[in-house]
Amino acid sequence: KNQVEQSPQSLIILEGKNCTLQCNYTVSPFSNLRWYKQDTGRGPVSLTIMTFSENTKSNGRYTATLDADTKQSSLHITASQLSDSASYICVVSSKTGANNLFFGTGTRLTVIP
Amino acid sequence: DSGVTQTPKHLITATGQRVTLRCSPRSGDLSVYWYQQSLDQGLQFLIQYYNGEERAKGNILERFSAQQFPDLHSELNLSSLELGDSALYFCASSVRAQEGIQYFGAGTRLSVL
Repeated sequence: KNQVEQSPQSLIILEGKNCTLQCNYTVSPFSNLRWYKQDTGRGPVSLTIMTFSENTKSNGRYTATLDADTKQSSLHITASQLSDSASYICVVSSKTGANNLFFGTGTRLTVIP
Repeated sequence: DSGVTQTPKHLITATGQRVTLRCSPRSGDLSVYWYQQSLDQGLQFLIQYYNGEERAKGNILERFSAQQFPDLHSELNLSSLELGDSALYFCASSVRAQEGIQYFGAGTRLSVL
């Protein structure tokens, strides 16, 4: 069964600290993995998208890693800011099947001063 | 601004009623996706259209239907509304049918009373 699991479910960190969010998936065959940031009540915004051959991709203070062998991805946020408070959603795309997008339930990150 | 426009922003209606949500994709994007996000829930994929044709179907109820018009805008029709249909409904668009980044609209918040 194709699934995407994210951990932790929620996280509270101090401003300026780093954090890492995890995404494990069982989607096969794998096409790509995306991380989205969703502010409360707003639409998700794409942070990174990685294909099978990519191990790391950065977008400013956000760095995503992908281990296609173990089917794990992480999103590392460096020097967190209050504006990083949001839900972070991992989405895995399969190469086959009409409904080929599988969503994690997200990690709710709160950055406090 | 993602370039995806959703109207209306808010919709309040009663059980048993029917509503239509509208989405204009980014200029040049051929694919439109509809998602439902209930309170504190993850995104649930409903349906995808590509260049006017239904491409993929997710967890869409039979009471819900959608279409994509020749000008590529899309409408999501929700009928016989129930209290449980209260949610944020997001539209996203992408250039191609499968690969690539999806750009999300700001969403329509539907409240069924």
